Amino acid sequence: QVQLVESGGGVVQPGRSLRLSCAASGFNFITYAMHWVRQAPGKGLEWVAVISKDGSNKYYPDSVRGRFTISRDNSKNTLYLQMNSLRAEDTAVYYCARDFQSNIMFRGVFDYWGQGALVTVSS
Amino acid sequence: DIQMTQSPSSLSASVGDRVTITCQASQDISNYLNWYQQKPGKAPNLLIYDASNLETGVPSRFSGSGSGTDFTFTISSLQPEDIATYYCQQYDNLPLIFTFGPGTTVDIK
Repeated sequence: QVQLVESGGGVVQPGRSLRLSCAASGFNFITYAMHWVRQAPGKGLEWVAVISKDGSNKYYPDSVRGRFTISRDNSKNTLYLQMNSLRAEDTAVYYCARDFQSNIMFRGVFDYWGQGALVTVSS
Repeated sequence: DIQMTQSPSSLSASVGDRVTITCQASQDISNYLNWYQQKPGKAPNLLIYDASNLETGVPSRFSGSGSGTDFTFTISSLQPEDIATYYCQQYDNLPLIFTFGPGTTVDIK
């Protein structure tokens, strides 16, 4: 069955960096675009990044553009999120999510989610 | 960027009641609207995609409708296991962005 398992969360000081990983299994990873979505404590969902199947196209919202980088290693079935210059407002549970399979680059439907990794930015 | 609103922000209903949540987009999004359920401490779960398509394995008491700017999500007969927060989500490609609504929390009266 489809599984997405995030790792790499933890407590980090403001201004520092952290890298999250998402190990995928149970499906042909290279045929799916992948996303990161976050949820601050007690708040709603915020999309953070998307990467195309081959990793050549990446998009971000204004809130993280220039600080966060999404990447993937299709040989290892793993998705990454490199987070630099972290701020207190980046504190959240970070989910990786699979995009619907499609012939277009991004379908925009998150059909499977990981269990989430908590990132706390605090001094 | 397209803004999404949901109403109500919370509701309380009895088991067996029909529950309706609305989601409004600030501009026409065609049918690029999805609905998710999130139970406390858990990841979101896709229920409805492209406004009205039921995801595989999701109970038929859940349904969605609408197009353009106005969308509706319905639980035809509320069950105790439906206690959760429900989010709408849209996809826009100019610019490429995926936006969630603020959520609607549903509990049992």
